[in-house]
Amino acid sequence: AQKVTQAQTEISVVEKEDVTLDCVYETRDTTYYLFWYKQPPSGELVFLIRRNSFDEQNEISGRYSWNFQKSTSSFNFTITASQVVDSAVYFCALSEGGYQKVTFGTGTKLQVIP
Amino acid sequence: GAGVSQSPSNKVTEKGKDVELRCDPISGHTALYWYRQRLGQGLEFLIYFQGNSAPDKSGLPSDRFSAERTGESVSTLTIQRTQQEDSAVYLCASSFSGERTEAFFGQGTRLTVV
Repeated sequence: AQKVTQAQTEISVVEKEDVTLDCVYETRDTTYYLFWYKQPPSGELVFLIRRNSFDEQNEISGRYSWNFQKSTSSFNFTITASQVVDSAVYFCALSEGGYQKVTFGTGTKLQVIP
Repeated sequence: GAGVSQSPSNKVTEKGKDVELRCDPISGHTALYWYRQRLGQGLEFLIYFQGNSAPDKSGLPSDRFSAERTGESVSTLTIQRTQQEDSAVYLCASSFSGERTEAFFGQGTRLTVV
């Protein structure tokens, strides 16, 4: 069974601070995919990144970066120099290869204070 | 259409009435998901379709909930004899088969049972 844990329920940071959102997953498969989604106050979930289990390279996209560590079953998300527009709920998700059911974590609400 | 479309966007119903929620996935997406999101909560998996079949219905909370999909396209989530605890946003998502498994979400249907 697949499971995603986001232990941080809510985080508040002051604008321009860096913030890391944690994600720990459980799966029995060797092939799986990990995702991050953003849900701004408007409500629509926005896809941010997909990572497959065979690619442990960290990825950077602008102010966003992701750290995938298979040894600790973690896929953490860091926002550098946070901005008010980053305020949202962020969901980590897992899909096991060949099955495609996507399991979401409970989300981390990020509030960036100006 | 260009994205996942859900209708209605808002639905207010009286306790005990039946409701139908509709999802039009992105054309060509064979996988379709329904999730429920209560106010301030994470995404709760309801059901997953691959084509017209539902290999995983484990998230349906009771036998009052059912879903179907026809033509590998439109899906309908039906809630019979609605209860106040059914009030939530119901989100639909779709994705391709294979590696391209990021899910694209609709705007959701906000259901309020009064």
